[in-house]
Amino acid sequence: QVQLVQSGSEVQKPGASVKVSCKASGYIFSSYAIHWVRQAPGQRLEWMGWIKAGSGITKYSQNFQGRITFTRDTSANTTYMELSSLRSEDTALYYCARVTVTASGYYSYYYMDVWGTGTTVIVSS
Amino acid sequence: DIQMTQSPSSLSASVGDRVTITCRASQSISTYLHWYQQKPGKAPNVLIYGASTLLSGVPSRFSGSGSGTDFTLTINGLQLEDFATYYCQQSYNIHALSFGGGTKVEIK
Repeated sequence: QVQLVQSGSEVQKPGASVKVSCKASGYIFSSYAIHWVRQAPGQRLEWMGWIKAGSGITKYSQNFQGRITFTRDTSANTTYMELSSLRSEDTALYYCARVTVTASGYYSYYYMDVWGTGTTVIVSS
Repeated sequence: DIQMTQSPSSLSASVGDRVTITCRASQSISTYLHWYQQKPGKAPNVLIYGASTLLSGVPSRFSGSGSGTDFTLTINGLQLEDFATYYCQQSYNIHALSFGGGTKVEIK
């Protein structure tokens, strides 16, 4: 079945970097974009950006510009999210999510139809 | 960026009730609005896309409406399994997606 399996929890010190992986299975990896979303404790879902798995083209939220990098390994059907210069406010549950595009008349709707297993990142000294 | 505001932030309801959640965008987003359900400890799950189209397998008690800046998610006949947090999300700007703050539906 279609699934996204993420790497395990991380504990990092302020100023360090973290790299989270998201392994896809059950579909053609290169045909979809993967988005990254995080959820700090008690907070709303926060969109971080996307990477097109086929081309490697990326788009980052301005909130993370300069600190975030998405990469992918097509041979392993895996995408990666690396966040640097970590601070306590980066403590959150990080999700990858596949975005599907559905055409309906004039419109093309992009929504997250498959979500990863989630990775907890704790930033603490 | 487009700001999404949901109301209420939480509500208490009983099984069988009709529940309405609203989502407002800071600018017109046509019908580029989607609804997700999130249960504790789980990833969100998409229920509705394009403001009003139910995903396959979503019970018909869920419905969505709206366009432009104002949207509504309605649950007709709340069931035990519907107690969860609901989020709206816009995809009008695919380069800057955004979510609402969430509405937690609790048991009265």
